[in-house]
Amino acid sequence: EIVLTQSPGTLSLSPGESATLSCRASQNVAAGYLAWYQQNPGQAPRLLIYGASSRATGIPDRFSGSGSGTDFTLTISRLEPEDFAVYYCQQYGTSPRTFGQGTTVEIK
Amino acid sequence: QVQLVESGGGVVQPGRSLRLSCAVSGFTLRNYGMHWVRQAPGKGLEWVAGIWYDGSNQNYADSVRGRFTISRDNAKNTLWLQMNSLRVEDTAVYYCARDEAVAANGNVDYWGQGTLVTVSS
Repeated sequence: EIVLTQSPGTLSLSPGESATLSCRASQNVAAGYLAWYQQNPGQAPRLLIYGASSRATGIPDRFSGSGSGTDFTLTISRLEPEDFAVYYCQQYGTSPRTFGQGTTVEIK
Repeated sequence: QVQLVESGGGVVQPGRSLRLSCAVSGFTLRNYGMHWVRQAPGKGLEWVAGIWYDGSNQNYADSVRGRFTISRDNAKNTLWLQMNSLRVEDTAVYYCARDEAVAANGNVDYWGQGTLVTVSS
């Protein structure tokens, strides 16, 4: 199965700053089938990005995704208070679909 | 709006069984693949099982294959997860989730709020 490794584990930033989250795959992610999810404590994950770079419905344009092959990035520009959460990447190009271990974006 | 509501979680002893349900509304269930994904306390997300739009095909994670069964009834707008021979390591919040693809091999776009399963003696 494809192993996804996210870095860093924790990102400490202030509101208004930008965040860059990395997701590296152990094998090529077929057709760029990679998604990013945001999860707040006690809540379900929320889809942010699919197909590596397409924003889901209702997601602000300060969230952007990029990458292909084995290296993917989620960028959050101008962090808002509600953006401090845990972020997961997921590949769905190869069965079984797998998740990264998560990156926590915390308030500095 | 799209809604997925899980139920059936609780505390169960190791070796026993439990059946989770997911009631959906706001969309036509027969047009979508579906999944169960779990999250152990304080841990990350783990895909458990997926099922085609018509129930004709199912896939399972190695950790649950042979013990768990995913099924659906499109007329009742309901997805199920039958969990047998439960183990302590199955303790988690279980989410049902919608797949944009009928063959459950696409993007997962909506999730329920989850139901907690605790396996403990």
